[in-house]
Amino acid sequence: DIQMTQSPSSLSASVGDRVTITCRASQSISTYLNWYQQKSGKAPDLLIYSASSLQSGVPPRFSGSGSGTEFTLTISSLQPEDFATYYCQVSHSIPYTFGQGTKLEIK
Amino acid sequence: QVQLQQSGPGLVKPSQTLSLTCAISGDSVSSNSATWDWIRQSPSRGLEWLGRTYYRSRWYNDYAVSMRGRITIDPDTSKNQFSLHLNSVTPDDTAVYYCARLVGTSWFDFWGQGALVTVSS
Repeated sequence: DIQMTQSPSSLSASVGDRVTITCRASQSISTYLNWYQQKSGKAPDLLIYSASSLQSGVPPRFSGSGSGTEFTLTISSLQPEDFATYYCQVSHSIPYTFGQGTKLEIK
Repeated sequence: QVQLQQSGPGLVKPSQTLSLTCAISGDSVSSNSATWDWIRQSPSRGLEWLGRTYYRSRWYNDYAVSMRGRITIDPDTSKNQFSLHLNSVTPDDTAVYYCARLVGTSWFDFWGQGALVTVSS
């Protein structure tokens, strides 16, 4: 199975900050990497697919980059509604695995 | 707009079978371009993919190795839904269970609302 290592596990930031979250894969996965946002008590929401494609309806302050084994999710200017937990997910092959999550909290 | 509506009991006794159903609207369980998956989430395991069912001229299933022997995911075309059955449950199977649609080169674009299932006597 492909393992995903996500960092940091938690992050404190302020409204307007630029933040970056990283996922590293245990082997090369090309661009088979997706990002989700999860708010408390809700299902995850798709933000980015295929490493860098923005899901319809997601604000452009979210962006993704990377290929191979290293990937990043960037939020260019944090908004109050962005404080949530973020997960990466590898889609190279089954079993589809998720990162451990990054909890983004208000500083 | 695709919607996935989950139903099923929230409490299951150890050694019994956990059964959940996911009703689909806005798409078809027989779609040739999607798979219908179950994922669970717990503090100890995080998000864990369990398995899927899908139709490509015939029905297929894939299951996580850790679940094999205990899991069945089956479609119901007459009701446009799919179900998860997990037998011989233990307290370790306590989790929030989600159904989801997988499309493209494998991303989950629609999710059910989630169902907390507790395994306890």
